[in-house]
Amino acid sequence: NAGVIQTPRHKVTGKGQEATLWCEPISGHSAVFWYRQTIVQGLEFLTYFRNQAPIDDSGMPKERFSAQMPNQSHSTLKIQSTQPQDSAVYLCASSLVRGQNTLYFGAGTRLSVL
Amino acid sequence: AQSVTQPDARVTVSEGASLQLRCKYSSSVTPYLFWYVQYPRQGLQLLLKYYSGDPVVQGVNGFEAEFSKSNSSFHLRKASVHWSDSAVYFCAVSNTDKVVFGTGTRLQVSP
Repeated sequence: NAGVIQTPRHKVTGKGQEATLWCEPISGHSAVFWYRQTIVQGLEFLTYFRNQAPIDDSGMPKERFSAQMPNQSHSTLKIQSTQPQDSAVYLCASSLVRGQNTLYFGAGTRLSVL
Repeated sequence: AQSVTQPDARVTVSEGASLQLRCKYSSSVTPYLFWYVQYPRQGLQLLLKYYSGDPVVQGVNGFEAEFSKSNSSFHLRKASVHWSDSAVYFCAVSNTDKVVFGTGTRLQVSP
């Protein structure tokens, strides 16, 4: 079991460019969560899928951010027209069914917007 | 709405000393409570979780936490810390599928 895999580990974009972050959850886990981690804001919930369906995206900025889960084996977080304030570590986590189950986190993708 | 407060951003203790990291939560119903740890350049890992039963719950690596409904608290403890315990510790709460994390406490264990 390789755990939750996030790629790339580091991504550098110029202001206004698009960034796509990938997450491969643990096989058999039906829930996938995305969080954003910054020094100032800490860990912010972004969005959550269960059985590939979007359940709660209350933490997603309404513009420029989108997340998808086209199949059981991966989820993507896309940020259009990246801004310096989007610089953060983006963490993906999966769990068996629900958030109350243990969350297994990937190592994160560090996004730097220049 | 649910929320978590970790009042101590940084804690420094000597190796071998005891440890308590504080966590206060707010929830309209009895929530699931968690402590996660994050080592440098890694994701978070679960230390322990609580929902019901004995208010003192045991976790990995000698950590334990005590739930107090009257104080809305879920403090983390360890009897004797090791230098390898240096990390960031997050308290978290969930009464739905969404898990809300506190801001974390950075623990530095000095030799």
